[in-house]
Amino acid sequence: EPEVTQTPSHQVTQMGQEVILRCVPISNHLYFYWYRQILGQKVEFLVSFYNNEISEKSEIFDDQFSVERPDGSNFTLKIRSTKLEDSAMYFCASSEGTGAAETQYFGPGTRLLVL
Amino acid sequence: AQSVTQLDSQVPVFEEAPVELRCNYSSSVSVYLFWYVQYPNQGLQLLLKYLSGSTLVKGINGFEAEFNKSQTSFHLRKPSVHISDTAEYFCVARGSARQLTFGSGTQLTVLP
Repeated sequence: EPEVTQTPSHQVTQMGQEVILRCVPISNHLYFYWYRQILGQKVEFLVSFYNNEISEKSEIFDDQFSVERPDGSNFTLKIRSTKLEDSAMYFCASSEGTGAAETQYFGPGTRLLVL
Repeated sequence: AQSVTQLDSQVPVFEEAPVELRCNYSSSVSVYLFWYVQYPNQGLQLLLKYLSGSTLVKGINGFEAEFNKSQTSFHLRKPSVHISDTAEYFCVARGSARQLTFGSGTQLTVLP
């Protein structure tokens, strides 16, 4: 069964450094998403991406974040200058784009720790 | 905007006993509701979803949920749990936008 994959599974970085989290969505899916879960808090929506542009974003998704689909398979989340509060589990998801009945399929997550 | 409340952060239950995980939502517009499960070291997997129609929704692994509009609830149930059902369960809502709104999660622990 096709699945969403994410790399790396864990990343440790120093505050102020740039990180890139990578995702490979399911191949025929058209919408891509990033969510995050800070330890002890709810899973929160960050951004959705369709047709090579952002379709929705939350208040969390400020100028330090960016997303990109650099090729036909990868979908990346870049955090330009990491802060301690960016430590979280980051989930990538994808969906077919068929409408309300569709399911978002999630990857296993990348645990980011900012020191 | 939607909000989702999961009333129990942890639910311990003995194997073969029934279980109910509670979820309430609030929304001023039509809402679609989902339950996702996360097994240790795995991604979020869809258990079931309610879009419209019958209020009783059946999902994978013997789970079912009932949509109750008057009580704004979408509780998840299973008549007999197994050790392998130990996981975290998330109640999730979606409105007209694509973003999902998650509850805080319920850790179900099935005891032998």
